[in-house]
Amino acid sequence: QAVLTQPPSVSGAPGQTVTISCTGSGSNIGANYDVAWYQHLPGAAPKLIIHGNINRPSDIPDRFSGSRSGASASLAITDLQADDEADYYCQSYDLTLNAVVFGGGTKLT
Amino acid sequence: QVQLVESGGGLVRPGRSLRLSCAGSGFDMKNYAIHWVRQAPGKGLEWVALIWYDGSRQYYADSVKGRFSISRDNSRNFVYLQMSRLGPDDTALYYCARDAGSPIVYYFDYWGQGALVTVSS
Repeated sequence: QAVLTQPPSVSGAPGQTVTISCTGSGSNIGANYDVAWYQHLPGAAPKLIIHGNINRPSDIPDRFSGSRSGASASLAITDLQADDEADYYCQSYDLTLNAVVFGGGTKLT
Repeated sequence: QVQLVESGGGLVRPGRSLRLSCAGSGFDMKNYAIHWVRQAPGKGLEWVALIWYDGSRQYYADSVKGRFSISRDNSRNFVYLQMSRLGPDDTALYYCARDAGSPIVYYFDYWGQGALVTVSS
């Protein structure tokens, strides 16, 4: 059972916008620990797409954006493309567990 | 370019031990904390362990505490994960990943391709 809660799946048509939620608690996201997001394609290593809740690495297009409010975070992907089909994971740090924590992952179709 | 390469995976019987290695290149590994993250078949990502840049601190997930040990050799740019008393639930693809910060920020900017560990009799 993952510490951070994500929907198992989301879907969208090319050109549309999807949002993936990540719900934590007062010992992780709610304790002001930053959220990162990763894109994981089959057979590849996970790729960092958002860090510090809202920041994109330089090689990530601005179609990807992150936000955080309270104990939750969200990843939005606009102008969906076929290449975006992947698993997406949120990640933070948990003060009570003294551990890095992940969401269960969301499959984007 | 930054590269992390895992090795040492394989098939191991329950109760036995295995050591994974993570070789870093293209960056000064002694300046970065390194994590191990695993993914069991059909499951999500699970953080396993962390070692600080200088090896002074190690942290573990509850699921592996007391069985796994992380260490590093900064003179050779290697990080190791010694796994003992392995069970079927430890079957997974094991990734090493670089912490993005200095000393540490608890997210990962580079990952290796993974080493597969299968625990089965």
